[in-house]
Amino acid sequence: DTGVSQDPRHKITKRGQNVTFRCDPISEHNRLYWYRQTLGQGPEFLTYFQNEAQLEKSRLLSDRFSAERPKGSFSTLEIQRTEQGDSAMYLCASSLGAGGPGNEQFFGPGTRLTVL
Amino acid sequence: KQEVTQIPAALSVPEGENLVLNCSFTDSAIYNLQWFRQDPGKGLTSLLLIQSSQREQTSGRLNASLDKSSGRSTLYIAASQPGDSATYLCAVRRLNTNAGKSTFGDGTTLTVKP
Repeated sequence: DTGVSQDPRHKITKRGQNVTFRCDPISEHNRLYWYRQTLGQGPEFLTYFQNEAQLEKSRLLSDRFSAERPKGSFSTLEIQRTEQGDSAMYLCASSLGAGGPGNEQFFGPGTRLTVL
Repeated sequence: KQEVTQIPAALSVPEGENLVLNCSFTDSAIYNLQWFRQDPGKGLTSLLLIQSSQREQTSGRLNASLDKSSGRSTLYIAASQPGDSATYLCAVRRLNTNAGKSTFGDGTTLTVKP
């Protein structure tokens, strides 16, 4: 396993369209996180899963955003009716668990979304 | 609400110089602190993770310290190289039952000149 992977790496869409991103975590990791990062800023937390359960969601995750992790493995993040303000890098991370060194987060390469 | 600040926002040094990057946070009830490196347009690479009970961690030329009581962490880079040029981010995880989200600073962009 070479790490966290994300697909696609780049997405250009028109305002109002729906987009879906996929994240495949490191295989034995049961925690998966989604963050959003805009230019010059640090990543902002969106949501995280432990196995298939979505345990926390940020206020940033409006009702146009939905995330799933149906079998506790890969996750998808969907944005409906995209707006120009959704343009950002969407980052996925995973970790082994909650305690000790297992809490270290490993990030994927990100999906760059551009909304025209 | 946890706030994380990294100063300076940008730093330029000549090759070979030792340097310190700073990270401060407002809520000392943290679970851990993690330092990352980010190259332009790329994802984040984990550098060091410090648990709340630890004072420092070392990896190669990197040394990270943590002082929870003062809400500060530093990342020391020894003998800097041009390949160290990147943005360095710190992230703190709050102490709670879920210990889920991390709060990031906006990073320090480091340029090491040959």
